[in-house]
Amino acid sequence: DAMVIQNPRYQVTQFGKPVTLSCSQTLNHNVMYWYQQKSSQAPKLLFHYYDKDFNNEADTPDNFQSRRPNTSFCFLDIRSPGLGDAAMYLCATSRDRGAYEQYFGPGTRLTVT
Amino acid sequence: AQSVTQLDSQVPVFEEAPVELRCNYSSSVSVYLFWYVQYPNQGLQLLLKYLSGSTLVESINGFEAEFNKSQTSFHLRKPSVHISDTAEYFCAVSAVGSGSRLTFGEGTQLTVNP
Repeated sequence: DAMVIQNPRYQVTQFGKPVTLSCSQTLNHNVMYWYQQKSSQAPKLLFHYYDKDFNNEADTPDNFQSRRPNTSFCFLDIRSPGLGDAAMYLCATSRDRGAYEQYFGPGTRLTVT
Repeated sequence: AQSVTQLDSQVPVFEEAPVELRCNYSSSVSVYLFWYVQYPNQGLQLLLKYLSGSTLVESINGFEAEFNKSQTSFHLRKPSVHISDTAEYFCAVSAVGSGSRLTFGEGTQLTVNP
């Protein structure tokens, strides 16, 4: 089935140790998004790619980076995770910009020790 | 900028009772409106959306929502809930022309008790 896949589902990293989260999609969608969702809070958009065009939200910390090497894959890199970065990270895709549904992956829960 | 307010953080109801989850938004431009549902340890799934046309939209599992422009609301309703409807529900808006960026409300935890 076409879907959005996130690996791993659970990730534990140490304070300050770089970590990469992975997202892949079989939907061939143009747009890919990364959201951060802390416990009992709304998902917060970190950035998105429209094809290869990277769009960073104004309040996304510099500690967060992203790469999209091809249409199918998108990575979230956290250069120096702090305790406050522990959260669920959600990847989503949409066919294009505009009034299109976003399809979400199951998320990666990041723990920082 | 847009903002979304979900007026109830938790809504407990009994099975087969009706339910309404309230959502109000603020925006200086036209918006698209969405309801997403999130089951524990899962991603979000689209429940229904309002883009244009009829202000009443329905989902396949019995939920409906009505867009009220004058009250800037998009409340979600179901006439009879099931245990399986227990989940977190998020209201979201996207400004027309914003490139499908979503702004979410804080969520409402619906708990259906037997």
